[in-house]
Amino acid sequence: GAVVSQHPSWVICKSGTSVKIECRSLDFQATTMFWYRQFPKQSLMLMATSNEGSKATYEQGVEKDKFLINHASLTLSTLTVTSAHPEDSSFYICSATSRTTGELFFGEGSRLTVL
Amino acid sequence: QKEVEQDPGPLSVPEGAIVSLNCTYSNSAFQYFMWYRQYSRKGPELLMYTYSSGNKEDGRFTAQVDKSSKYISLFIRDSQPSDSATYLCAGGDSSYKLIFGSGTRLLVRP
Repeated sequence: GAVVSQHPSWVICKSGTSVKIECRSLDFQATTMFWYRQFPKQSLMLMATSNEGSKATYEQGVEKDKFLINHASLTLSTLTVTSAHPEDSSFYICSATSRTTGELFFGEGSRLTVL
Repeated sequence: QKEVEQDPGPLSVPEGAIVSLNCTYSNSAFQYFMWYRQYSRKGPELLMYTYSSGNKEDGRFTAQVDKSSKYISLFIRDSQPSDSATYLCAGGDSSYKLIFGSGTRLLVRP
């Protein structure tokens, strides 16, 4: 079946550095990709919606200059957490919508720990 | 008020029990509803989705939607210890954007 791959699955970084997380649709083209954040024991919160070739749409309260999203192709979207701080430590999950079937698939998530 | 409300649990049941998980929602624009299962430190895994009011069955799982009362349910028959996980309900509109409930943690005791 269709798979969404995220890389890295776990990353630890120092406060003030930037971290890039990739989200790839492996065997389908993704019309839209979504980025979610999940704090421990909490639900997934939508951060932004990303369409290939256009600027991402951010949800209220999400800083677009801090969470940079690039959707350069129909199979790849990247989330860059700039100048990361400990409060950015979270589980970041992407999802992608198949261009042909409209089905939605989730990645396995990337755990970010900022020291 | 959150758009999707879900009791966080934890819900503890003996193996073989019928489990009932419930959510309420407030957004009338939701066109479809999803149930996801999430194991610790993993991404969510789709269990069921429904587009209309009524029941949908898949193996041991039954999803139920009542749009008139904005109430959605997931029933698990013959529950197994491997069903122990967090169950997330979500509503979606025409933009494919999903709004999740807070999740209910389920523990099935052997």
